[in-house]
Amino acid sequence: AQTVTQSQPEMSVQEAETVTLSCTYDTSENNYYLFWYKQPPSRQMILVIRQEAYKQQNATENRFSVNFQKAAKSFSLKISDSQLGDTAMYFCAFMKQWRTRDDKIIFGKGTRLHILP
Amino acid sequence: AAGVIQSPRHLIKEKRETATLKCYPIPRHDTVYWYQQGPGQDPQFLISFYEKMQSDKGSIPDRFSAQQFSDYHSELNMSSLELGDSALYFCASTHDREGAYTGELFFGEGSRLTVL
Repeated sequence: AQTVTQSQPEMSVQEAETVTLSCTYDTSENNYYLFWYKQPPSRQMILVIRQEAYKQQNATENRFSVNFQKAAKSFSLKISDSQLGDTAMYFCAFMKQWRTRDDKIIFGKGTRLHILP
Repeated sequence: AAGVIQSPRHLIKEKRETATLKCYPIPRHDTVYWYQQGPGQDPQFLISFYEKMQSDKGSIPDRFSAQQFSDYHSELNMSSLELGDSALYFCASTHDREGAYTGELFFGEGSRLTVL
């Protein structure tokens, strides 16, 4: 079974600083997807960034980038020039290839990120 | 662009009552997942459907049932509600049945159930 571990329950950084959220996972699969979801106080689940395991290049979305280390099964999220609106719970998530057995998305426990003014 | 629509957004029920949550996936999506998220918790997988058939089952109580209809919308039925069922229930959809799978999973805004 797949597992996702986020070792930082809570973090705080000053506005405009860079912050890195850690995530490790365990799987025996070779093809899969990794995600970072943001959940602000409204509790809507917002996709921040997505990485396909077969792609070696790290995904980037504006101020958000990942460091994907497939061999180490590590998938960290870097937020550059952090903004007050980045304050939220961040979930790392794993998903097997669609239409394979047990292809549901699995979430880590989350990291609560506070951006301080 | 159309998103995943969940209704109702908020629901208040008494213990032992019944509740039904609805999920309308993104047009042409044929796969639906249901998740339950308690306060301060990570989302827990309940059940999924592909092409109107149950695909996978997680930690869904026997008091709960779900199905996906011919128009691909899904409903989660919860009976004999308990206080512990109070949670945010998410629906997510994926896979455009007229295209290739892209790995994108879209969540609705959730239905907040409060059991008194």
